[in-house]
Amino acid sequence: DIVMTQSPDSLTVSLGERATINCKSSQSVLYNSNNKNYLAWYQQKPGQPPKLLIYWASTRESGVPDRFSGSGSGTDFTLTISSLQAEDVAVYYCQQYYSAPFTFGPGTKVDIK
Amino acid sequence: QLQLQESGPGLVKPSETLSLTCTVSGGSISNSSYYWGWVRQPPGKGLEYIGNIYYSGSTYYTPSLKSRVTISVDTSKNQFSLQLRSVTAADTAVYYCARVRITATVYDAFDIWGQGTVVIVSS
Repeated sequence: DIVMTQSPDSLTVSLGERATINCKSSQSVLYNSNNKNYLAWYQQKPGQPPKLLIYWASTRESGVPDRFSGSGSGTDFTLTISSLQAEDVAVYYCQQYYSAPFTFGPGTKVDIK
Repeated sequence: QLQLQESGPGLVKPSETLSLTCTVSGGSISNSSYYWGWVRQPPGKGLEYIGNIYYSGSTYYTPSLKSRVTISVDTSKNQFSLQLRSVTAADTAVYYCARVRITATVYDAFDIWGQGTVVIVSS
């Protein structure tokens, strides 16, 4: 199985400031034949299901605010919230869908300072 | 707007079988562009992928649960179901059903999720 790790475990950011979450996979999730990274980011607020934010590592899902962006390739990825809003308080998970079983990172909790 | 809704008992006794159903509304489960999956989340913990099914009935199960899991589909009812046998307290979790996109014949992200249902394993 591909093991996903995330850092930090939690972070506290002031409103309007940047939040950066890192995700690392134990093996590359880049499929060379189509040059796509099989990596997604989800946001989970308390008592709610996960919500898809980013897929193919950097493609924003429809309706997701443009302050959310994804980057990275191979084994190292980043989710950036450019200007943190109160409604962004949540746990964020990365997930690989390169090979089954699809695995999630342990999550990063984002809070307001 | 496609929606998923989980249903089933919230309490299951140890050694018995957990059975959940996910009802798909606002779209067809027979759409060839999607798989349909199950994910669980133990209390205070992260997300664990259980498996998925295609409308044709083909399945994938995560190896750690494969010996105890069956996922089935009923296209006439627009539903798919999860059975987990011989449950223990470690199977206590919120169980989510989710739609899994297919892009150019390969798996894509989980784009729509049900609200989740809490299942407690206890005598």
